[in-house]
Amino acid sequence: LAKTTQPISMDSYEGQEVNITCSHNNIATNDYITWYQQFPSQGPRFIIQGYKTKVTNEVASLFIPADRKSSTLSLPRVSLSDTAVYYCLVGAVRGNKLTFGGGTRVLVKP
Amino acid sequence: DAEITQSPRHKITETGRQVTLACHQTWNHNNMFWYRQDLGHGLRLIHYSYGVQDTNKGEVSDGYSVSRSNTEDLPLTLESAASSQTSVYFCASSESMADSAPQYFGPGTRLTVT
Repeated sequence: LAKTTQPISMDSYEGQEVNITCSHNNIATNDYITWYQQFPSQGPRFIIQGYKTKVTNEVASLFIPADRKSSTLSLPRVSLSDTAVYYCLVGAVRGNKLTFGGGTRVLVKP
Repeated sequence: DAEITQSPRHKITETGRQVTLACHQTWNHNNMFWYRQDLGHGLRLIHYSYGVQDTNKGEVSDGYSVSRSNTEDLPLTLESAASSQTSVYFCASSESMADSAPQYFGPGTRLTVT
């Protein structure tokens, strides 16, 4: 399983764009990159998933460079309700080693 | 709407007791998972199932067991609860058999072992 490294925490202000970079140097050829969001006292929620280049949905964008050794989750124009922990996940359950890691705690300030 | 539920939401038990946490999903997903979440450790996989009668051990399976008798339910049993098993437990399910398929999580069960 590819080990992931994310910043522990980030602060931002309402209306700004937040970019969270995840490093995964040992990503395997078949691995996808998946991001989850977790609010306090709730289960994680799937945000976005990608394999290469750029993926965009109504919530976020995911940028993946050609070497796939890192990825960046971009949250446009954040609001207070985007305050949460964001997890970068690389790997597969079939390897019996699926772990979420510590995540990045994003605090959006007024 | 389809959903995944967990019960109870909060549980206090004593060391040595057997405890079962329920997980029920109406997505009709074949894949179901149990995680525990502790401060400083993120989420760690306990057990998972790819379908009825199928169960597999995850990263931290010692002291836990699961059984899958139907598609909708994957109960998690702590055979003899220990204080180290005090944690928040999340159940999840996914539709696809493909690796890295997105998972849908329940609201969690907070378990305290005294």
